[in-house]
Amino acid sequence: DAKTTQPTSMDCAEGRAANLPCNHSTISGNEYVYWYRQIHSQGPQYIIHGLKNNETNEMASLIITEDRKSSTLILPHATLRDTAVYYCIVRVGDNFNKFYFGSGTKLNVKP
Amino acid sequence: DAGVTQSPTHLIKTRGQQVTLRCSPKSGHDTVSWYQQALGQGPQFIFQYYEEEERQRGNFPDRFSGHQFPNYSSELNVNALLLGDSALYLCASSLVSGIEKLFFGSGTQLSVL
Repeated sequence: DAKTTQPTSMDCAEGRAANLPCNHSTISGNEYVYWYRQIHSQGPQYIIHGLKNNETNEMASLIITEDRKSSTLILPHATLRDTAVYYCIVRVGDNFNKFYFGSGTKLNVKP
Repeated sequence: DAGVTQSPTHLIKTRGQQVTLRCSPKSGHDTVSWYQQALGQGPQFIFQYYEEEERQRGNFPDRFSGHQFPNYSSELNVNALLLGDSALYLCASSLVSGIEKLFFGSGTQLSVL
């Protein structure tokens, strides 16, 4: 049972920021939010994760609302190679954890 | 440093047959999870192995079983294949402790005819 809700698809112009929203209104206090992306049915690739603070790495930024019921993944300067399905995931459990994937958002980066 | 490797890449079986898929985790990882991804859907958690035991299981029937070996590699077995078992099967590895991310293999594409 997916614990996240994402738009089915989004478009973004090359060079612009891509903002991908995710709703996880039933998230519990110890559950982390992860973002992965998947290109052409390859294995999903890790992007970023967080618990309650905003996070940034070389790939993206993750903004989590104060009530933790939603988050936004930001790709600051989208390129054509960022075209992929982006999954917002809730990780359940402190150990032996499992990841709940939703259906993801297909991001189309256009020239 | 090799990442997660899966074999075979593609497989074709007929209904009722049995299949075994294999996975070698990323170096240093001790936990293996298996996911099923139907066409157009997100991956669905099947089960997770640590210390050669199944630790967590998703909503999959007993036809799906697994094994983890002392070197941390793992197998996924599916018996009495159904047409609906056609999917991309993904293996992911991690460390059981800490706030770890999953590393995924490229998957095995299983087609059941």
